[in-house]
Amino acid sequence: GAGVSQSPSNKVTEKGKDVELRCDPISGHTALYWYRQSLGQGLEFLIYFQGNSAPDKSGLPSDRFSAERTGGSVSTLTIQRTQQEDSAVYLCASSLSELEAFFGQGTRLTVV
Amino acid sequence: AQSVTQLGSHVSVSEGALVLLRCNYSSSVPPYLFWYVQYPNQGLQLLLKYTTGATLVKGINGFEAEFKKSETSFHLTKPSAHMSDAAEYFCAVTKAAGNKLTFGGGTRVLVKP
Repeated sequence: GAGVSQSPSNKVTEKGKDVELRCDPISGHTALYWYRQSLGQGLEFLIYFQGNSAPDKSGLPSDRFSAERTGGSVSTLTIQRTQQEDSAVYLCASSLSELEAFFGQGTRLTVV
Repeated sequence: AQSVTQLGSHVSVSEGALVLLRCNYSSSVPPYLFWYVQYPNQGLQLLLKYTTGATLVKGINGFEAEFKKSETSFHLTKPSAHMSDAAEYFCAVTKAAGNKLTFGGGTRVLVKP
């Protein structure tokens, strides 16, 4: 597809389980970002990739959160031992010019 | 640190009326400024951006915004609201290319027929 693709679109998980969220950026985009959107906190930055490296991971809220990017393309955000406060929409964005980010539709995570 | 304040979490306008969404920012360096729109259950779509040059920026769907450095503002306007403008709008700032975006809290727009 032409846009940023995220999967799954919805995920319900039990508290304490691990989850993996996937992002397929626009082909050729070197920059990739993860954001979290929740009712209480609005839109928060999580991590930024340039190629396969992450020069800015300052937004990851705890060591339960990690992300990787392989081949300069697909990225996976992993949340270990999920908690109810992790419930949110996780948005991925990619960019070529680094000034215009294109967002995916997000993964809605619900921890029960 | 950067921050963005959007005045009014909800705005209601009549179809055909002016849409004005307010955004003020704080930044230690000249910022790059953005407005994004989010329709229900969708990601964010870029409406317009200010980087350098002309301070009045025109975007998609008839929206425009003016960067006023002296007021640290980047308000978004549209002369005549359409029903399809009902969505949530986010103002964002970054200090350099490749840096993270810092978002305001968002303004949800309701358009009344």
